Amino acid sequence: QSVLTQPPSASGTPGQRVTISCSGSSSNIRSNYVCWYQQLPGTAPKLLIYRNNERPSGVPDRFSGSKSGTSASLAISGLRSEDEADYYCATWDDSLSGHVFGTGTKVTVL
Amino acid sequence: QVQLVQSGAEVKKPGASVNVSCKASGYTFTGYYLHWVRQAPGQGLEWMGWIRPETGGTNYAQTFQGRVTMTRDTAITKAYMELSSLTSDDTAVYYCARGGSTNYGPIDFWGQGTLVTVSS
Repeated sequence: QSVLTQPPSASGTPGQRVTISCSGSSSNIRSNYVCWYQQLPGTAPKLLIYRNNERPSGVPDRFSGSKSGTSASLAISGLRSEDEADYYCATWDDSLSGHVFGTGTKVTVL
Repeated sequence: QVQLVQSGAEVKKPGASVNVSCKASGYTFTGYYLHWVRQAPGQGLEWMGWIRPETGGTNYAQTFQGRVTMTRDTAITKAYMELSSLTSDDTAVYYCARGGSTNYGPIDFWGQGTLVTVSS
């Protein structure tokens, strides 16, 4: 049902860089800001990135976001064990007049 | 600091309704939209709709129209989400979350979640 598509999984070893993609359309990603959320097991989502590439206070600069056309990406550099979590992209959809979330990506630290 | 504290877990029978509350503190309640998002077990996040606390105006996702009602009480800075005609597919964790000053603004702070279990 999600209108934003993410890969189901991504992995890397400690210290590596991992990138997660988020594919949408002209009614959502192309025309609106993208956010990224981290969800640790059993907890509520936490805002990691807003306005495509801005980090809230307290979020390490190892996390970075970008957007191009109808796609967005989240990069995690210097991967750490505590980064093991589910990650979701989100944005506003003009056609649906509502927020939409990505399908989610589970990041595993090997 | 911004806090959203939700009511406790609920167990409901099919066909019943559930009401989840969300107590906001640490910011101007009427200055930000309040969203409701749910997450079924092992599944992703699903946006349900928003309420604008300043006016009481609402917008619901089409999936939930006719079954969901979002309200607020500005005197006690609380928001409520009622979902009716429950089925087992409604078993999920329900989150309230603060949005921006506009309906399309980013969702930044989340409540701890309320587990609603629908079972006969």
